[in-house]
Amino acid sequence: GNSVTQMEGPVTLSEEAFLTINCTYTATGYPSLFWYVQYPGEGLQLLLKATKADDKGSNKGFEATYRKETTSFHLEKGSVQVSDSAVYFCALSDRSGAGSYQLTFGKGTKLSVIP
Amino acid sequence: DTGVSQDPRHKITKRGQNVTFRCDPISEHNRLYWYRQTLGQGPEFLTYFQNEAQLEKSRLLSDRFSAERPKGSFSTLEIQRTEQGDSAMYLCASSRLGGEAEQYFGPGTRLTVT
Repeated sequence: GNSVTQMEGPVTLSEEAFLTINCTYTATGYPSLFWYVQYPGEGLQLLLKATKADDKGSNKGFEATYRKETTSFHLEKGSVQVSDSAVYFCALSDRSGAGSYQLTFGKGTKLSVIP
Repeated sequence: DTGVSQDPRHKITKRGQNVTFRCDPISEHNRLYWYRQTLGQGPEFLTYFQNEAQLEKSRLLSDRFSAERPKGSFSTLEIQRTEQGDSAMYLCASSRLGGEAEQYFGPGTRLTVT
């Protein structure tokens, strides 16, 4: 079956520090990969995605590259801000026989950015 | 586009009671998903609807759980004879048809079983 393993948190960084959150996956097919973010008191939002090997997803200064050879999709940002404090979830989807694109999530990594 | 809404946002119930949650997806979205999220974990897939048809159910969805989507619009998730282990956040997501469309999540219903 499919699974996602991501870096355990919490992670605390100073403003303008470099961020990496590691994510690796196991999948039987050819999944698409996602990073979702959950800000305090809000619902899950899609941050970025990549649908095939070597694709790079990017949004709001965050980037992640789909690495099939290492089955990884690490999230990076060059300079974090206090407003980036949130829980980040790595996820994959793979079309099921029933036509569902259900998401398989990692456990989440809580990021706190201090001024 | 008013987003996905869920009702209620919080529910406290005693063990053994039945509860029902409602999800209103984005109006033109044909696909609807239910997920469950427990503390410190990522969301886990429960069930999938395409229009009014329930096409997929997870092994997590025991016989005490039932979901419907009459007329292919809103959906309900009912839990019968609740147990303390059912305490979790129940999330609904919807998306368009056609390939791998982005899933938009609602704010969730937090269930506490005492």
